[in-house]
Amino acid sequence: IVMTQSPATLSVSPGERATLSCRASQSISSNLAWYQQRPGQAPRLLIYGTSTRATGIPARFSGSGSGTEFTLTISSLQSEDFAVYSCQQYNYWPLTFGGGTKVEIK
Amino acid sequence: EVQVVESGGGLVQPGGSRRLSCAASGLTVSINYINWVRQAPGKGLEWVSVIYNDDTTDYADSVKGRFTIARDNLKNTVYLQMNRLRSDDTAVYFCASGVPLDVWGQGTTVTVSS
Repeated sequence: IVMTQSPATLSVSPGERATLSCRASQSISSNLAWYQQRPGQAPRLLIYGTSTRATGIPARFSGSGSGTEFTLTISSLQSEDFAVYSCQQYNYWPLTFGGGTKVEIK
Repeated sequence: EVQVVESGGGLVQPGGSRRLSCAASGLTVSINYINWVRQAPGKGLEWVSVIYNDDTTDYADSVKGRFTIARDNLKNTVYLQMNRLRSDDTAVYFCASGVPLDVWGQGTTVTVSS
């Protein structure tokens, strides 16, 4: 399953909303996760099951979608949210990731 | 605290071998899916291998036949034996438990170069 993320880079001002997209090459039901990776750090699970926030993840992060089209929304960007976000499908093996969206400060 | 800690990275010559370790605490490797995921410099994440809770294993096509995943239940540790290494295996290798991947280690760097 090929996962395609857009855009590759998103420039956003602090406090603004960010919307990230992820598309699967075929239906993956709701088996979609989002990860955040800050520079020099390991990825961190943000969202699983398309829309369920992982433990400790703030409510400003939300996920939606189904089938082949998915969205991660960050409602009001904080300084610590500027990072790379990757989607991953886990409906089929092998697990596959999107190429990532870098959210940078505008 | 639940955590996994990778070790074993380093500089390896092309064609060489390296064994990575993933030591777990706060979780039991024998009843969890334990994965290896890698990230080449400046690139995205690539799933490499998994050992399931029933001891079966799976690999990405890019490493099949060269890499072997195994675990030692007494040491609560998972290993990735990497043979016939190539330059495109150069990456940070992360150990991560579960599906989805909910516990990640800090990674260990493997550089394949002469």
